[in-house]
Amino acid sequence: SAVISQKPSRDICQRGTSLTIQCQVDSQVTMMFWYRQQPGQSLTLIATANQGSEATYESGFVIDKFPISRPNLTFSTLTVSNMSPEDSSIYLCSVASGRRYNEQFFGPGTRLTVL
Amino acid sequence: RKEVEQDPGPFNVPEGATVAFNCTYSNSASQSFFWYRQDCRKEPKLLMSVYSSGNEDGRFTAQLNRASQYISLLIRDSKLSDSATYLCVVNNREYGNKLVFGAGTILRVKS
Repeated sequence: SAVISQKPSRDICQRGTSLTIQCQVDSQVTMMFWYRQQPGQSLTLIATANQGSEATYESGFVIDKFPISRPNLTFSTLTVSNMSPEDSSIYLCSVASGRRYNEQFFGPGTRLTVL
Repeated sequence: RKEVEQDPGPFNVPEGATVAFNCTYSNSASQSFFWYRQDCRKEPKLLMSVYSSGNEDGRFTAQLNRASQYISLLIRDSKLSDSATYLCVVNNREYGNKLVFGAGTILRVKS
């Protein structure tokens, strides 16, 4: 399966600032997704990152708060904008591709703490 | 009602025991089903897909009952390394390959 990396692996940020998280895959993939996992919770889908067009956001998530880029089939970024302590969470990207496109594989995650 | 429901546990079992987890889902249009494993402070990893006919991978057996909207995972001969959170996950292609995660069941295997 694809090797997925995320940068940074963790960060501590001040409220009101923004952080951009990168997701890099070692092979071209059809689909890329961004999830959030809040402390003690399961994963919630933020959006589907679409190559060459705007991301598709889930209910409760908006582009102004979580802008996403996907310039090619191996890379995507998620920005957490104007952060507040409630944004403290783990952010994970996932990928799906090929004939088993409904199986998703996750990056190692970015652990974000907002003070 | 949550779309995917699991007993959060924890299930505390001795090494060598057999343990079973159940999961129910509410969307009858769900088409694909999975069990993921998540270790503490790590990302979820796909354990197995769940097929209508049921499937087995070593000590792990997964079953699907579409009529009851119920998925199960059976672990035989538990190992200490099986200790983790097990996430029941469903996918509905009508919503663009979106995965919906259960809250997870904690398993602790003790010597």
